[in-house]
Amino acid sequence: KAGVTQTPRYLIKTRGQQVTLSCSPISGHRSVSWYQQTPGQGLQFLFEYFSETQRNKGNFPGRFSGRQFSNSRSEMNVSTLELGDSALYLCASSLRGGGPTDTQYFGPGTRLTVL
Amino acid sequence: AQKITQTQPGMFVQEKEAVTLDCTYDTSDPSYGLFWYKQPSSGEMIFLIYQGSYDQQNATEGRYSLNFQKARKSANLVISASQLGDSAMYFCAMRVRDDKIIFGKGTRLHILP
Repeated sequence: KAGVTQTPRYLIKTRGQQVTLSCSPISGHRSVSWYQQTPGQGLQFLFEYFSETQRNKGNFPGRFSGRQFSNSRSEMNVSTLELGDSALYLCASSLRGGGPTDTQYFGPGTRLTVL
Repeated sequence: AQKITQTQPGMFVQEKEAVTLDCTYDTSDPSYGLFWYKQPSSGEMIFLIYQGSYDQQNATEGRYSLNFQKARKSANLVISASQLGDSAMYFCAMRVRDDKIIFGKGTRLHILP
């Protein structure tokens, strides 16, 4: 079974631009979560989608948005990029999107650099 | 409020020795799941092991075992016979019902040859 895939793997943008990252979950998984990881702030939760609905949301500005499609693939968008948005963006998928037994499996991440 | 605490920012261990990575958690909900992930320098988070709050026995997966002490609210990861490839960042995480998964700040493990 193929794992979680994320595209692109690396991205370089300049301040003020916008970016879209894509995540394809493990086949059969209906939930996708997004995380931002930086050396200073560590791993921070962005949002979680289940069956095209946002189930949970982290504490990020409105410049960060996401969506999930009917095939469970998900995209996240960051508008008006700032230098501080440089980070590793991780996507994780899980079967049910809830419940204490629902294990998340991560993709390889997209490393975004904002110049 | 739910919380995960990993008190060891970094650890150095000799190859072939056993390693214990500490994790304490806080929740008032009786139903929760505990997870450990490994993150090598490549960046990908690798799921290692899961323990449910109602599980009677400690979880084991190969060289990984979870020392679950419910009364003390601790879920320490034990790696037996450490290898050089175990050098990585390790995260403890918890999920309560349908809430988001929360992660600890991680422990960086260095295995010395």
